[in-house]
Amino acid sequence: DTAVSQTPKYLVTQMGNDKSIKCEQNLGHDTMYWYKQDSKKFLKIMFSYNNKELIINETVPNRFSPKSPDKAHLNLHINSLELGDSAVYFCASALGGARTGELFFGEGSRLTVL
Amino acid sequence: AQSVSQHNHHVILSEAASLELGCNYSYGGTVNLFWYVQYPGQHLQLLLKYFSGDPLVKGIKGFEAEFIKSKFSFNLRKPSVQWSDTAEYFCAVNTGNQFYFGTGTSLTVIP
Repeated sequence: DTAVSQTPKYLVTQMGNDKSIKCEQNLGHDTMYWYKQDSKKFLKIMFSYNNKELIINETVPNRFSPKSPDKAHLNLHINSLELGDSAVYFCASALGGARTGELFFGEGSRLTVL
Repeated sequence: AQSVSQHNHHVILSEAASLELGCNYSYGGTVNLFWYVQYPGQHLQLLLKYFSGDPLVKGIKGFEAEFIKSKFSFNLRKPSVQWSDTAEYFCAVNTGNQFYFGTGTSLTVIP
């Protein structure tokens, strides 16, 4: 079983469209994250949720909206896609709080905006 | 703001050469430290981690790292690299729920 799973792995879409990426973890972790990795491999934190509550919200355009229906899921919806949104988006999870431990990453979702 | 610096952006080595990748962080409190590896086209995987205790930690595939508190450093080492070590390497620092990543070091090992 994959510990952190993301779908879809690849998205190719036109500018202006809306798309969603889903993430699920079966590790029983409390905290989940979305990271964006650009073409230079730089990892940028976007959001973090702890037990369905938003705890980290970095400077990200409000076209990006995370949703956490329960602590095992953290989805990312992107409105009005732009060329600069092309990147690999990684979901990750950790125990959370004082026991945070290590991050476990999903396999990534490669978004290409044409 | 906390930051993590990786001084080597691109490293090219021949097989069997020794490797050392630098990592420095700026945070005065208690931290957990990590090195992650990203093989081409794959996701990030944990190489090794330091939470407390012996500052010399050993990870998978023959990697090790040394935590030097006075220097705020957590350098990664491997005595003899292999072609299969070609990858991107990320240093990371964790405080509370926050994880801060360095900009990564691209390692290319030539057979």
